[in-house]
Amino acid sequence: EPEVTQTPSHQVTQMGQEVILRCVPISNHLYFYWYRQILGQKVEFLVSFYNNEISEKSEIFDDQFSVERPDGSNFTLKIRSTKLEDSAMYFCASSPPRGQPQHFGDGTRLSIL
Amino acid sequence: GIQVEQSPPDLILQEGANSTLRCNFSDSVNNLQWFHQNPWGQLINLFYIPSGTKQNGRLSATTVATERYSLLYISSSQTTDSGVYFCAVETSGSRLTFGEGTQLTVNP
Repeated sequence: EPEVTQTPSHQVTQMGQEVILRCVPISNHLYFYWYRQILGQKVEFLVSFYNNEISEKSEIFDDQFSVERPDGSNFTLKIRSTKLEDSAMYFCASSPPRGQPQHFGDGTRLSIL
Repeated sequence: GIQVEQSPPDLILQEGANSTLRCNFSDSVNNLQWFHQNPWGQLINLFYIPSGTKQNGRLSATTVATERYSLLYISSSQTTDSGVYFCAVETSGSRLTFGEGTQLTVNP
């Protein structure tokens, strides 16, 4: 069964540095998403992406964050000038049309020191 | 935005017992998914069930969209069922809104 893959599985970064989290969505999917889960809390939506542009974003997704689909397979989340509170598990997801099930990757655990 | 409430927040079972987890939501939905988060943090997709009933082995789920709730049934629980169970819903936008989860512990 096709799956969403995320790299790296764990990223440790110094506060203030930039980090790029990478995702390869399922190949025939059209919608791509990033979610975040702070340790011990629920999963929170960050952003959705369709047709090479952001279709929806949450209040968490401020100017510190950006997303990009640099080629036909990768989908990235960039966090500029990381803060301690950015430490979390970041999940990428993809779906065919909107309203169909979203398929999640295994996540990248981001630790900011 | 839509509110998603899950109950109970915590559940401790003996192996072999059955359980029912509940998810209430405050608005009509286009999508409802149940996930199991394992101890390694992976989100395992259990069911896509915006309405109706589905079964997969020892697990089954029912969503009554008109009454805005969904139930996840676990029968003959095993220690490997331990983890957090999340309900997540999508309304007219694209985002999934997650509940706070039910922490399930199955003891041998």
